[in-house]
Amino acid sequence: NAGVMQNPRHLVRRRGQEARLRCSPMKGHSHVYWYRQLPEEGLKFMVYLQKENIIDESGMPKERFSAEFPKEGPSILRIQQVVRGDSAAYFCASSVYSGTMNEQYFGPGTRLTVT
Amino acid sequence: DQQVKQNSPSLSVQEGRISILNCDYTNSMFDYFLWYKKYPAEGPTFLISISSIKDKNEDGRFTVFLNKSAKHLSLHIVPSQPGDSAVYFCAASGDSGNTGKLIFGQGTTLQVKP
Repeated sequence: NAGVMQNPRHLVRRRGQEARLRCSPMKGHSHVYWYRQLPEEGLKFMVYLQKENIIDESGMPKERFSAEFPKEGPSILRIQQVVRGDSAAYFCASSVYSGTMNEQYFGPGTRLTVT
Repeated sequence: DQQVKQNSPSLSVQEGRISILNCDYTNSMFDYFLWYKKYPAEGPTFLISISSIKDKNEDGRFTVFLNKSAKHLSLHIVPSQPGDSAVYFCAASGDSGNTGKLIFGQGTTLQVKP
């Protein structure tokens, strides 16, 4: 049973370009969470999605960031017009159930560098 | 507003001894707590969890203790092994909305010396 897959593992973008980060949850998991880890900090929640629905986006920056989890295919985190402050590690996690009392399993992360 | 705090950035322990990692939280709505271990350039790996209705959960060398009145939890690793050297994050869930989103502490870097 493959774990959570993320690609690319490393992404370099120039300021103003778009970044697309992909996440395939574990088999049987229909709940996806995105977190961001800035240098020297802990992980910060960004968004929680189920298939075709955004459930909680309270941690998403108001502009330039969007996420989707289509019926078919991976979840996508999109960052438009990237700035240097977007440089971070972005982690996706998946779970079997929603709500509390259940573990989230993390992918290896995508390290975004904005030059 | 840091709702989950790990006040010790680092901890060094001799192989075979006990490692104790601490975590404090401020939000009394949290009802589920987890510990994750993270190696550089990898994603966090789930270690152990505890519900707020319990005060202890044990899994092999790992035990998590929860003191609700003090809003404090700790992870004990006995005996510590060099392979345990990593960053350890505590996380909590259960605040408003009950969506399962995790609130993480800043992490504690554990070094186990051979």
